[in-house]
Amino acid sequence: AQKITQTQPGMFVQEKEAVTLDCTYDTSDQSYGLFWYKQPSSGEMIFLIYQGSYDEQNATEGRYSLNFQKARKSANLVISASQLGDSAMYFCAMRESLSGNTGKLIFGQGTTLQVKP
Amino acid sequence: NAGVTQTPKFQVLKTGQSMTLQCAQDMNHEYMSWYRQDPGMGLRLIHYSVGAGITDQGEVPNGYNVSRSTTEDFPLRLLSAAPSQTSVYFCASSPHPPLPGGTVGLDYNEQFFGPGTRLTVL
Repeated sequence: AQKITQTQPGMFVQEKEAVTLDCTYDTSDQSYGLFWYKQPSSGEMIFLIYQGSYDEQNATEGRYSLNFQKARKSANLVISASQLGDSAMYFCAMRESLSGNTGKLIFGQGTTLQVKP
Repeated sequence: NAGVTQTPKFQVLKTGQSMTLQCAQDMNHEYMSWYRQDPGMGLRLIHYSVGAGITDQGEVPNGYNVSRSTTEDFPLRLLSAAPSQTSVYFCASSPHPPLPGGTVGLDYNEQFFGPGTRLTVL
């Protein structure tokens, strides 16, 4: 079974509008962390935002916020005021305490976002 | 700080050849790891290291060896390349390894990724 599911292979958004990228996860762990990474066409992986399972408030980092709904096991990324430079592949990832000290991140398949001028 | 660096950026090998992908970080991070990225599959953990002299297997270790003789360097070796190893390889590091059984939800431990190496095995 998929541990991280990103159901939107590709999305379009108009410049300056907000966009939500979906991520649902599956874990039996009580303690876990959720990450979003951006991968532009140049290929590097850029960390965007982190949400811990015990965090009661949704994480925010500038124009990025994470809509964390623990009961629904969803961790959607919201990008406000989209910019052309936001066009990239976006990955949701999870680290479980079950993974011990492996530090293993479990990645979703990614969502390609294209921002239209 | 240069962060996490990887060389080479691109490599083409023939089946059966060996090579080493280099990874280095200058942030004095204890934890380092290697992932491979295949189309439609996200990234998968190959090997990881929680400190100099300590390495262990991740999710897809077959066909790869690693060593960690210094804190800074974590090379990945392909002993006999196969077409199934065609992929993009990422090295990552973070300040400290997760604690076994630790409370991940409270443990903000960002992993910094290198720029990647695109490997093609013919």
